[in-house]
Amino acid sequence: GAVVSQHPSWVICKSGTSVKIECRSLDFQATTMFWYRQFPKQSLMLMATSNEGSKATYEQGVEKDKFLINHASLTLSTLTVTSAHPEDSSFYICSARDLAGDSHGYTFGSGTRLTVV
Amino acid sequence: GQNIDQPTEMTATEGAIVQINCTYQTSGFNGLFWYQQHAGEAPTFLSYNVLDGLEEKGRFSSFLSRSKGYSYLLLKELQMKDSASYLCAAMDSNYQLIWGAGTKLIIKP
Repeated sequence: GAVVSQHPSWVICKSGTSVKIECRSLDFQATTMFWYRQFPKQSLMLMATSNEGSKATYEQGVEKDKFLINHASLTLSTLTVTSAHPEDSSFYICSARDLAGDSHGYTFGSGTRLTVV
Repeated sequence: GQNIDQPTEMTATEGAIVQINCTYQTSGFNGLFWYQQHAGEAPTFLSYNVLDGLEEKGRFSSFLSRSKGYSYLLLKELQMKDSASYLCAAMDSNYQLIWGAGTKLIIKP
């Protein structure tokens, strides 16, 4: 089945630094990828929709200058958390649509646990 | 507005059956998903319903009533490993997933 590889699985960074999270579709082409954030004991919150070759669409309240999304190819999307602060500590998950898959489109990466100290 | 409601937490006994309900209101509708999420992990796909009725897949079944905006996930022969959060998500007319807050299922021996 469709696989989405997400790296790193976890990262600890100092406040003020930037962190890049990669999401790759391994055996299908993903024209669209979704980036979610999940705080403890809460559900997934869609941050942005990443479209290959064009600008990402951000959800209301998400700072596009802080959460930089690049989707330069059909198999790779990256999320960069710039000038990270402790309140950015969260679980970040990407998802891509594979219309040929048996999950009716949505495959998730394994997630990235970000801790900002 | 768009909204998904599901219970926050449920408790059940190993070997028993549990039903997790979900009601939804979306702008258009293109299907209802159920995902399982263990703590610290990404969600994994369980089921997808777009037509009314019951879909059975092993110990798990999912039901949909489009007219009532209602779905449930039925888990049979509960095992300890079924302890997890179960997320209900509806796909709207733009094919975007609208997520519920998740139901934490606690299985007791």
